[in-house]
Amino acid sequence: QVQLVQSGAEVKKPGASVKVSCKASGYTFTSYGISWVRQAPGQGLEWMGWISAYNGNTNYAQKLQGRVTMTTDTSTSTAYMELRSLRSDDTAVYYCARDMRLVPATSNFWGQGTLVTVSS
Amino acid sequence: DIVMTQSPDSLAVSLGERATINCKSSQSVLYSSNNKNYLTWYQQKPGQPPKLLIYWASARESGVPDRFSGSGSGTDFTLTISSLQAEDVAVYYCQQYYSTPLTFGGGTKVEIK
Repeated sequence: QVQLVQSGAEVKKPGASVKVSCKASGYTFTSYGISWVRQAPGQGLEWMGWISAYNGNTNYAQKLQGRVTMTTDTSTSTAYMELRSLRSDDTAVYYCARDMRLVPATSNFWGQGTLVTVSS
Repeated sequence: DIVMTQSPDSLAVSLGERATINCKSSQSVLYSSNNKNYLTWYQQKPGQPPKLLIYWASARESGVPDRFSGSGSGTDFTLTISSLQAEDVAVYYCQQYYSTPLTFGGGTKVEIK
C-alpha cells in the first residue's frame, strides 16, 4: 500500500532553515510527482510547489521563490523540502502528497504532516 | 493566479439531509482539448491530512462513499453530500489544478445541526 512517512516536528528560530523529509513506499517513486502543501494553525491549505520524482523538475509558488528548494533522492524514494530564512508566519503543518500524474495535479496520497514551529 | 472562492464558509445540516458546497474559480478550469475540468475536492478532519474525494470535478476516488458527488463545469462547481452522516463532519476544500500555482478554496466547515 502507498505510504508517505514524514520526518518529525521541528522548532526553529527566525532566520533559520528547516528540511522536511517524506519517505515513499508501496509504488514506483519515479512515476509520480510530489506536491508540498502547508497549513498554518487554524487556516486553510496552501500549495507550496511540486517536484517530478522522474527528472527533478520543480515548480514553486511565487511567494516562496528563493526560499524553498524541493529535491528527491530516488535511491531511497525520499522527497525533501527545505525552507530558508524562516519567519513566524512559516509556522505550519507541512504535508507532502503524491500526485496522480507526473505533472502538478490532484494528490491522492498524503503524508501525516510535519509541524514546523518558528519562534524566538 | 486562479482564485477559488467557496461558499458558504460553514453549514450545519441534520443527519440524513443533503449538504451542498459551492466553489467558483476566477477563470475557467475546463481544458478544451480533453473536455476535462481540472477541479478536485478534499475532505479534512481535525488532526488529519486532507483526503481526496473527487477529481476531474466529478470522478469519485476509489473507496469514497457514493453519497459524495461532484458536479459543475467551467467556473462553477458543487460538492453534494446526499445524506449527511456523523463521520462527514469535516472541512471541505476545492482545488484547481488547471494551472500553477495550484490554488485552494478557503474551505467549508460542515457540522451536524
